[in-house]
Amino acid sequence: GENVEQHPSTLSVQEGDSAVIKCTYSDSASNYFPWYKQELGKGPQLIIDIRSNVGEKKDQRIAVTLNKTAKHFSLHITETQPEDSAVYFCAACSAGNKLTFGGGTRVLVKP
Amino acid sequence: EPEVTQTPSHQVTQMGQEVILRCVPISNHLYFYWYRQILGQKVEFLVSFYNNEISEKSEIFDDQFSVERPDGSNFTLKIRSTKLEDSAMYFCASRGQMTTEAFFGQGTRLTVV
Repeated sequence: GENVEQHPSTLSVQEGDSAVIKCTYSDSASNYFPWYKQELGKGPQLIIDIRSNVGEKKDQRIAVTLNKTAKHFSLHITETQPEDSAVYFCAACSAGNKLTFGGGTRVLVKP
Repeated sequence: EPEVTQTPSHQVTQMGQEVILRCVPISNHLYFYWYRQILGQKVEFLVSFYNNEISEKSEIFDDQFSVERPDGSNFTLKIRSTKLEDSAMYFCASRGQMTTEAFFGQGTRLTVV
C-alpha cells in the first residue's frame, strides 16, 4: 500500500521567514496530494492541494510543488506569521480515494 | 460555511464497553470516512462508506468496528468491547460526488480506561 514520509517533524522559523515541508510517497498510482493544517483542538483543515497533472500550485502565501518522477511534493509558506503556527500534514490519495497521511510537521513561527 | 460536525468531543469509557461516535457530514456529500490518530502517531485510515455500504476498510477495522448511516444525515462509528489501545482521536470526513477534497470534523477524543 501507499506510504508517505514527511520531514521535518518540527520546524521553528522566525516571523517573516519561509517554511518548507517535504513529503515523499511510494505508490505511483497516487494522483492527488492535499495538505492539511491542524490547530490545537481542531480537525485537519485543507489548505491547498495538487493533482498529478500539475507541477506547482500557489495560493497567496502558500505553494505546493510536485515531482512525480521522484515521488515527492513540498509545501512552501512564505512570509510566515504567528497564526501559521500549527501542525501540517501532507497526504496522498490513490485508488478508492482514501488518504494516506504523513507523520505531520509541527511549525512554530516565532514573533 | 458547511462543516462536518462530530459528537461528543471527548468520550471516556471503561475497557470492554461499547461506544458510538457520531458524525454529521456536509449535507450534499456522498462519501464518508473515519480516520483515527493515536497520540503521537500518524492519522490512519479506518473505513470509507458510499451508497450505504463500506467501500474500503483498513486492517485496523476488524470485527470490533462497524459503521452505519442510520437516518440519512448521521454517520456513526461503533466500537464494541473497547480496548485500551483504542484510545485515540477519531476523525470523520466527507467528500462530494465530483470532488476529491475531503473535509474533516474536529474529532472525538476517545479515552479507554
